[in-house]
Amino acid sequence: KAGVTQTPRYLIKTRGQQVTLSCSPISGHRSVSWYQQTPGQGLQFLFEYFSETQRNKGNFPGRFSGRQFSNSRSEMNVSTLELGDSALYLCASSIQTSGGTLNTDTQYFGPGTRLTVL
Amino acid sequence: AQSVSQHNHHVILSEAASLELGCNYSYGGTVNLFWYVQYPGQHLQLLLKYFSGDPLVKGIKGFEAEFIKSKFSFNLRKPSVQWSDTAEYFCAVSGGSQGNLIFGKGTKLSVKP
Repeated sequence: KAGVTQTPRYLIKTRGQQVTLSCSPISGHRSVSWYQQTPGQGLQFLFEYFSETQRNKGNFPGRFSGRQFSNSRSEMNVSTLELGDSALYLCASSIQTSGGTLNTDTQYFGPGTRLTVL
Repeated sequence: AQSVSQHNHHVILSEAASLELGCNYSYGGTVNLFWYVQYPGQHLQLLLKYFSGDPLVKGIKGFEAEFIKSKFSFNLRKPSVQWSDTAEYFCAVSGGSQGNLIFGKGTKLSVKP
């Protein structure tokens, strides 16, 4: 099976611009999560989508948003870019069974999109 | 709040040395535990995971980890490291109905040939 793919791999933007990142999950995986990785803060959870609905959200400002399509592909958007948004943005997918009191899915990560904000 | 602590920021070992990377978590319920590895220039890969059952779990490439519930720990071990194990290692936890991962800050492992 093909792994998680992310496009583009690299992006350079300037402050104030907006950006859209794309993620295609592993075939058959229904959940897509996004993470931000920076040297200072490490890996931080942004949000998770399942069945085209945002099901869980991390502690990031509203400038960060996302969506999921019916084929489980997901996009992440960052508006009004700031210098501090420079990071590696990782997408992870999991099969995700719905419901249950304990989620036991395993997340598989893509290569990431490296965003540089100038 | 949930958190994960990795005590060592950078570990330097010679080949054939034994490895133990510490991981402690804070979470008030049943947890799933993971170790991921990020080799230079590559994406995060799953090394091993613990959901339930035998607290000693074995992963890929000879790695293993032991879940000690009373200590809230999930330390990663390997009896003999190789130069190719040079990478950054991340401990992560998830819990409850939410599957999102809480990561530690990572430990960089450098193995000298």
